Amino acid sequence: QVQLVQSGTEMKWPGASVKVSCKTSGYSFSNYGINWVRQAPGQGLEWVAWISVYNGDTNYAQKFQGRVTLTTDTSTSTAYMEVWTLRSDDAAVYYCARDRESLAAVPHFFDFWGQGTLVTVSS
Amino acid sequence: IQMTQSPSYLSASVGDRVTITCRASQDISNYLAWYQQKPGKVPSLLIYAVSTLQSGVPSRFSGSGSGTDFTLTINSLQTEDVATYFCQNYYSAPLTFGPGTKVDFK
Repeated sequence: QVQLVQSGTEMKWPGASVKVSCKTSGYSFSNYGINWVRQAPGQGLEWVAWISVYNGDTNYAQKFQGRVTLTTDTSTSTAYMEVWTLRSDDAAVYYCARDRESLAAVPHFFDFWGQGTLVTVSS
Repeated sequence: IQMTQSPSYLSASVGDRVTITCRASQDISNYLAWYQQKPGKVPSLLIYAVSTLQSGVPSRFSGSGSGTDFTLTINSLQTEDVATYFCQNYYSAPLTFGPGTKVDFK
């Protein structure tokens, strides 16, 4: 069965960086893109970015451009999201989510989600 | 593309028919998905391409619309449907979500 398992809770100082992992199993990792979505406490969903595992193409929401980096490791079927220069308003649960469309050139929608990683940012 | 939803909150009784509206700020054709997020849980995909049910989703859920106006309907609301529902545009990046509609029981 398809599974996405994320790394654990992170507590960071403002200005620090965080790297969240998303280990996948149960499907052909290279055939599906991975999206990252975040949810601040008590708030709605916000799309952060997408990466094509197939060819490494990325697409970032403008507000995260230059501050978020997505990578993948096909040898371990793991996707990573690194957020630089954390601010207090980056505190949120970050989800990885598999793109529903196989070998897509752009992001679409999400059929399987990780359990979420809580990132807190506080001095 | 901005997504709006109405209402932001609704309360209903078991067995009621519930309708949630989602509006896009421009034509997104049929590139619309709906998600359900139960309290304290991870979002799950309900519907994509406006009206296609994701595998395993009960048939009491349905979607309709095109262009800028869309609806999610729950026929015969069940206790397990208490959740927040989000629409999502995937016509073009950046992908955007509606603010959510919280469904609760009277």
